Amino acid sequence: SQTIHQWPATLVQPVGSPLSLECTVEGTSNPNLYWYRQAAGRGLQLLFYSVGIGQISSEVPQNLSASRPQDRQFILSSKKLLLSDSGFYLCAWSVGGRAAFFGQGTRLTVV
Amino acid sequence: AQTVTQSQPEMSVQEAETVTLSCTYDTSESDYYLFWYKQPPSRQMILVIRQEAYKQQNATENRFSVNFQKAAKSFSLKISDSQLGDAAMYFCAYMRVRGKLIFGQGTELSVKP
Repeated sequence: SQTIHQWPATLVQPVGSPLSLECTVEGTSNPNLYWYRQAAGRGLQLLFYSVGIGQISSEVPQNLSASRPQDRQFILSSKKLLLSDSGFYLCAWSVGGRAAFFGQGTRLTVV
Repeated sequence: AQTVTQSQPEMSVQEAETVTLSCTYDTSESDYYLFWYKQPPSRQMILVIRQEAYKQQNATENRFSVNFQKAAKSFSLKISDSQLGDAAMYFCAYMRVRGKLIFGQGTELSVKP
């Protein structure tokens, strides 16, 4: 069966520090991969999505970047965090139009 | 660009009654997928129901069903026999074939005992 791992669950980082959130999928190949950010009580904002290794589509100009170094690995990064980067980050995968399945999320607080 | 709109920020239903959540979307594509997700306070995203655009028949999953109107670009969710555990944030989502998955802003559903 397919599983998705997202870590860490909680992260507190100072302003100006770097960020790396990792997401890996098991049990499938060539998935579409997604990163979302969700503010409290709000909808999911699509940040990046990838349909293959090295193929990244950026949806929102921002202080973040994404990379897909392996087929089932998706990384969200920042060189210098801003206060506005705080939020709940979700990784997801999908294959062939089936529903997207989500990780547990990372609650990021920038202080 | 594709967009998804949920015009009801909050809805309330009495336990055992029926409630309908609205969703509209905008796209120029003819082939796509639509979903409803539930997000309880744990913030875990849970798939409720899925609809393929090329299928005219409305999807049904137990107490959950959709009214898919392709020409009107409408995709509403009906919850029958509402239960306390149905209380959550509900998101409508659109997925382009092999690509982008976008969500509406959500509807917070409360269930009164």
